[in-house]
Amino acid sequence: LAKTTQPISMDSYEGQEVNITCSHNNIATNDYITWYQQFPSQGPRFIIQGYKTKVTNEVASLFIPADRKSSTLSLPRVSLSDTAVYYCLTITGGGNKLTFGTGTQLKVEL
Amino acid sequence: EAGVTQFPSHSVIEKGQTVTLRCDPISGHDNLYWYRRVMGKEIKFLLHFVKESKQDESGMPNNRFLAERTGGTYSTLKVQPAELEDSGVYFCASSQGTQKSDEQFFGPGTRLTVL
Repeated sequence: LAKTTQPISMDSYEGQEVNITCSHNNIATNDYITWYQQFPSQGPRFIIQGYKTKVTNEVASLFIPADRKSSTLSLPRVSLSDTAVYYCLTITGGGNKLTFGTGTQLKVEL
Repeated sequence: EAGVTQFPSHSVIEKGQTVTLRCDPISGHDNLYWYRRVMGKEIKFLLHFVKESKQDESGMPNNRFLAERTGGTYSTLKVQPAELEDSGVYFCASSQGTQKSDEQFFGPGTRLTVL
């Protein structure tokens, strides 16, 4: 059973760019890829969503290659407050199954 | 505008007991989702309501779990009887859009511990 996988953890320093990749080789053809951020004791919070190529908003960019089997969340200049768990969310299994990635714990230090 | 709320925030019960979790979605959101994260594992989809109808309950682990959304407003998730492996954090989310991939607004979760 194909899983939607992410690196378990990443460490960074304030001001750096952080790129987190999600592998989703069983993604449905017609649905968006969404990324969420989660702080301790809170539910996930929407960051960004895209279908293909590149999407940018005020907090992040999302890069999706043509085959859509992976996606990369890019946080341009992280701060301490970006320390959180980041999840990708896709639709797999022929367009029916909501699947969260395994989650990446990002730790930002001074 | 109030966000998604869940009650209780924590619940500790013994194996074999019954627990009911409640979710109040954002007003006007027809779509309501339940998820859970078991310790050390990823967040798993449980089911999806559109208004009061179960659109997709393929993620429900077994028949000890019963979800309802009477009247299409709040939802309850009952576990009866609870087992040790049911421990985890149960999240509820709601959305306004018609697609599963539309932005979902999550509640803070209910942490369930089964002893």
